[in-house]
Amino acid sequence: DQQVKQNSPSLSVQEGRISILNCDYTNSMFDYFLWYKKYPAEGPTFLISISSIKDKNEDGRFTVFLNKSAKHLSLHIVPSQPGDSAVYFCAARPTNTGNQFYFGTGTSLTVIP
Amino acid sequence: EPEVTQTPSHQVTQMGQEVILRCVPISNHLYFYWYRQILGQKVEFLVSFYNNEISEKSEIFDDQFSVERPDGSNFTLKIRSTKLEDSAMYFCASRTGGGTTGELFFGEGSRLTVL
Repeated sequence: DQQVKQNSPSLSVQEGRISILNCDYTNSMFDYFLWYKKYPAEGPTFLISISSIKDKNEDGRFTVFLNKSAKHLSLHIVPSQPGDSAVYFCAARPTNTGNQFYFGTGTSLTVIP
Repeated sequence: EPEVTQTPSHQVTQMGQEVILRCVPISNHLYFYWYRQILGQKVEFLVSFYNNEISEKSEIFDDQFSVERPDGSNFTLKIRSTKLEDSAMYFCASRTGGGTTGELFFGEGSRLTVL
């Protein structure tokens, strides 16, 4: 049962433009959401998070938007840089009912110079 | 910057052999996790560990798997009798215990190849 879904396996964007990565979830108990970035042969590294009491969180070039009614979140990267090319994973956690973080299948972002 | 460290980075083993993957979580963290990623697939939860006991485990984490925190710093994953389908990248992660949020910090991973 895939509770966190990233329906786009890949995305290509020109350098300097906006990258938008999408994530949908099915479990209404999820209330903490995170984005991770992963390079080949490395572990995922934390990028940005948002709790369900907010609908937006910004950190430099990265902004995460949460639409609870649609059970949808997105990561915006502006401006995109070649170094942003990586696989991006969305993750979610039901903070009151467990410790497990549920991960999506990832979106491979390629930023073209 | 504190980090999660994992050893070995790559292990090749024969089917049926026992494997131990080791992790040193960040020192003030209280929750520890093992995840795995089979090539080309999603990052899958195996187990979480808190206060010297398993707090949650997935269906993947069957009797062939066990975890231990033998000395207060290391956190190990043992696979008793490896199968071909255990070939994957295994990631250790840890987080602080305070509050309900707090991100996971991952290690670099241990690649297990079962022949």
